[in-house]
Amino acid sequence: GQQVMQIPQYQHVQEGEDFTTYCNSSTTLSNIQWYKQRPGGHPVFLIQLVKSGEVKKQKRLTFQFGEAKKNSSLHITATQTTDVGTYFCAAPSSAGNMLTFGGGTRLMVKP
Amino acid sequence: NAGVTQTPKFQVLKTGQSMTLQCAQDMNHEYMSWYRQDPGMGLRLIHYSVGAGITDQGEVPNGYNVSRSTTEDFPLRLLSAAPSQTSVYFCASSWDFSAGELFFGEGSRLTVL
Repeated sequence: GQQVMQIPQYQHVQEGEDFTTYCNSSTTLSNIQWYKQRPGGHPVFLIQLVKSGEVKKQKRLTFQFGEAKKNSSLHITATQTTDVGTYFCAAPSSAGNMLTFGGGTRLMVKP
Repeated sequence: NAGVTQTPKFQVLKTGQSMTLQCAQDMNHEYMSWYRQDPGMGLRLIHYSVGAGITDQGEVPNGYNVSRSTTEDFPLRLLSAAPSQTSVYFCASSWDFSAGELFFGEGSRLTVL
């Protein structure tokens, strides 16, 4: 079945440093979604990417969808303590009836 | 709007007991799903439903039952709890299961002793 791999599993950064998490799929994806989960909270939708090579920005967050639609990345510029949490990518199964999540990247920011 | 409401927030069970986690949404979403979250494992899909009267298995369905008698409600039943079912459970709903954002409930933390 489809697998969505996410790296790294953990990342410690100093406040102000940049951060990137990567998501890779074994199959071509129709779209990819990104979620953020604060410690003790529930996942919250950030964005969806649909087109090959698509790049979207939300303030300091930049999301990219690979040309082959098999990988994606989330980049945070100049991290802040409010960025702390786990970032998940998620993609629909080929049948389109399930959303499969990557293992997540836990971001820790030192003030 | 309340969004997705899960109850209870916390529950402790003994091995072999049964219980039901409740999930209700007020957004008229057709698609509802249950995930479990374990450390280092991400979110794994247990069961999902694409509408009232229709349910299907996800990645890890064993030991769980679901039903969908109304659009709003999607309860998850643990038939005979096992320590391996200790986890945080999230209910989520969406207007489109393949291309729409999932709205998550706040989660239910279950411990099985």
